Amino acid sequence: AQSVTQPDIHITVSEGASLELRCNYSYGATPYLFWYVQSPGQGLQLLLKYFSGDTLVQGIKGFEAEFKRSQSSFNLRKPSVHWSDAAEYFCAVGTNAGGTSYGKLTFGQGTILTVHP
Amino acid sequence: ETGVTQSPTHLIKTRGQQVTLRCSSQSGHNTVSWYQQALGQGPQFIFQYYREEENGRGNFPPRFSGLQFPNYSSELNVNALELDDSALYLCASSLTRINTEAFFGQGTRLTVV
Repeated sequence: AQSVTQPDIHITVSEGASLELRCNYSYGATPYLFWYVQSPGQGLQLLLKYFSGDTLVQGIKGFEAEFKRSQSSFNLRKPSVHWSDAAEYFCAVGTNAGGTSYGKLTFGQGTILTVHP
Repeated sequence: ETGVTQSPTHLIKTRGQQVTLRCSSQSGHNTVSWYQQALGQGPQFIFQYYREEENGRGNFPPRFSGLQFPNYSSELNVNALELDDSALYLCASSLTRINTEAFFGQGTRLTVV
């Protein structure tokens, strides 16, 4: 079965510093990978996605992520963090293989990002 | 283009009661999925509805049920509420049933007391 691990529960960075949030997945086939962001009490907003092709994908709000098949990772990066980036970030793997006729997302536990001024 | 909308935003119920949550899918999307997000956790897949039928289910008991209507909107029903059902319930719509790119609503916060 598929799974997603986000090793860091909480990360604190200073405004203007660079950011990298880690994500490792377990899945038998080529995964569809996503990063979502969630502000307190809100729904999930899609930051970026990887389906195939170029392993470095660009998203909204200046975020990017790199798919590394050999490491089963899909880490999220941003060169310079803004105070408004403070939120919780979720990595997810989308699956529709294995004989199922539906697609679903399996999420990691999330990483809470705190930004210091 | 309208996004995914959910109602109500907050709800308080008593243990043993029943609750219905509602979701309108994004324009052009025919598939709706429901997720439960307990406090401090990532969302967990409950089930998916496609063409007005349940098309896939996660590890949730039968007291979690749903409906999808001809306009692709959906309801999540939970019977015999338990304290552990307290969570944020998220609705997501997608273009097709196998498309895993999902767009989420703002969620319904359910508190069971």
